[in-house]
Amino acid sequence: KNQVEQSPQSLIILEGKNCTLQCNYTVSPFSNLRWYKQDTGRGPVSLTIMTFSENTKSNGRYTATLDADTKQSSLHITASQLSDSASYICVVGYYGQNFVFGPGTRLSVLP
Amino acid sequence: EAGVAQSPRYKIIEKRQSVAFWCNPISGHATLYWYQQILGQGPKLLIQFQNNGVVDDSQLPKDRFSAERLKGVDSTLKIQPAKLEDSAVYLCASSTAGDYGYTFGSGTRLTVV
Repeated sequence: KNQVEQSPQSLIILEGKNCTLQCNYTVSPFSNLRWYKQDTGRGPVSLTIMTFSENTKSNGRYTATLDADTKQSSLHITASQLSDSASYICVVGYYGQNFVFGPGTRLSVLP
Repeated sequence: EAGVAQSPRYKIIEKRQSVAFWCNPISGHATLYWYQQILGQGPKLLIQFQNNGVVDDSQLPKDRFSAERLKGVDSTLKIQPAKLEDSAVYLCASSTAGDYGYTFGSGTRLTVV
């Protein structure tokens, strides 16, 4: 069964600190993996996207890694800001235009 | 490039009333999705269109939910009659062949009271 798991479920950090979010998947055949940021009540916004041949992708303070062998991905946030408070969703694409969503990690950045 | 447009942004209705949401995808995107996202959960696919044909509607509660995509462009999602448990954010997304992932609209937040 195609599944995407994320950990932790929620995370609280202080402003300026770094953090890493995890995504494990059992999706086949794998096509791509995307990290989205979703503010409360808003639609998800894409942060990074990686295909099978890519193992790291950066977007400003966000860096995603992908290990296709172990089927794991991580999203690292550097020097967190209050505006980083949001849900971060891992989405894995397979076989054309099909996608499996993870449940998300809720990040709260405190001053 | 214009994004995925959705309206209304917010809607509050009483249970048993009807409601409709509208989505205008990115120009040229053949695939359109409607998702339901209950607070604290990931989005759940309700229906997927390829042009104006339905690809997947297996999780659409067809006794009360309906969706159409006339002419393969805009789409509407309707709920009739609404229940309290329908309170959620309804997201529309679109994609095109060869696109890794898709683009979401801002969503419609529905509250059923």
